[in-house]
Amino acid sequence: KAGVTQTPRYLIKTRGQQVTLSCSPISGHRSVSWYQQTPGQGLQFLFEYFSETQRNKGNFPGRFSGRQFSNSRSEMNVSTLELGDSALYLCASSRTLRNTGELFFGEGSRLTVL
Amino acid sequence: GESVGLHLPTLSVQEGDNSIINCAYSNSASDYFIWYKQESGKGPQFIIDIRSNMDKRQGQRVTVLLNKTVKHLSLQIAATQPGDSAVYFCAESSGAGSYQLTFGKGTKLSVIP
Repeated sequence: KAGVTQTPRYLIKTRGQQVTLSCSPISGHRSVSWYQQTPGQGLQFLFEYFSETQRNKGNFPGRFSGRQFSNSRSEMNVSTLELGDSALYLCASSRTLRNTGELFFGEGSRLTVL
Repeated sequence: GESVGLHLPTLSVQEGDNSIINCAYSNSASDYFIWYKQESGKGPQFIIDIRSNMDKRQGQRVTVLLNKTVKHLSLQIAATQPGDSAVYFCAESSGAGSYQLTFGKGTKLSVIP
């Protein structure tokens, strides 16, 4: 059974550009969450989606957005990139909402902003 | 805001010894806790979870203890192996039906052969 797949694994952007990251959850999983991981702030919650609906959003500026498609795949977008957006962006999926299954993480997309 | 924190940033243990990783949380509304292991270059890997209506849960070589009175969580790893070397994070959730997790800063466990 394939795990959570994130693409691209590595990317380099410059300030002011935008980026789109993709996440394919484990087959059959309908819930997708996104986290940002940095050495200074650790792991921070970005969004949670279930059945194409955003259920929760973390404390990030409006430059960070996301969506989920009908096949449960998800994308997140960061516009007008800043140096501080350099981070490992992790996607996680679960079969459904909390209390009914484990949350599995992908390997992440490492974004470097120059 | 409220957050989950760790007592120690690093922990070194001899192979074969037991490891104990501690975590303090401050949100009294938290009702679900998870321990994750993250190896270098990889995403967090689920180890074990516990709900607030329990105070102990055991898995394979791991035990999680929850003390709600002092808002303390611990992960015990029995017979620590070199493959256990990683950063360990505790995470908490207070939202029913939501996996919005608040993570601690992590403890780096190094196993000495």
